[in-house]
Amino acid sequence: NAGVMQNPRHLVRRRGQEARLRCSPMKGHSHVYWYRQLPEEGLKFMVYLQKENIIDESGMPKERFSAEFPKEGPSILRIQQVVRGDSAAYFCASSQDRVASYNEQFFGPGTRLTVL
Amino acid sequence: AQKITQTQPGMFVQEKEAVTLDCTYDTSDPSYGLFWYKQPSSGEMIFLIYQGSYDQQNATEGRYSLNFQKARKSANLVISASQLGDSAMYFCAMREGGRNDYKLSFGAGTTVTVRA
Repeated sequence: NAGVMQNPRHLVRRRGQEARLRCSPMKGHSHVYWYRQLPEEGLKFMVYLQKENIIDESGMPKERFSAEFPKEGPSILRIQQVVRGDSAAYFCASSQDRVASYNEQFFGPGTRLTVL
Repeated sequence: AQKITQTQPGMFVQEKEAVTLDCTYDTSDPSYGLFWYKQPSSGEMIFLIYQGSYDQQNATEGRYSLNFQKARKSANLVISASQLGDSAMYFCAMREGGRNDYKLSFGAGTTVTVRA
């Protein structure tokens, strides 16, 4: 029973390039959450998606960032025209249902993005 | 305002001793959950322990216990009989009830170094 998968684990991009981060939730999970961890900080919520729907993107920067979770395939977090400040660890979590009361979000291993 | 406050940026503990990591939280919601995660140097987020706001007893999981003081809004993590493998960053997190009940809010973390 594979956990949450994220790839790549490490991604290096030059300023101005695009970064695509992928997240495959646990089997049977249809809810995906993306978090960002800047250096020396805790994780910050970015976006919550269900299959084909964005439920809450209040934590996502208004420009250059987008997320999707198609009917088939992994969830994608896309960052266009990356800047040095985008360097961070990006974590994906998934849950079977909308999280309520005691229901963990299972985290993936993260993707570490470095912008040169 | 910060929802989760971890005031100890770093701590040293002798192997086999206990260590307490402080966490205070801020919410007006009567229904919430408190989590502790471990992040070793490899970077993944490992769930350790959960405490619900209505739970009557303090949560325990093996060597981890949560000292939940509701009136003080504190949820300190106690690691007993520290091991070298406990050296890591530890994050306290909270999920509130209501319509944003899927969002985890994290503290800035505490780095624990276990000395032999």
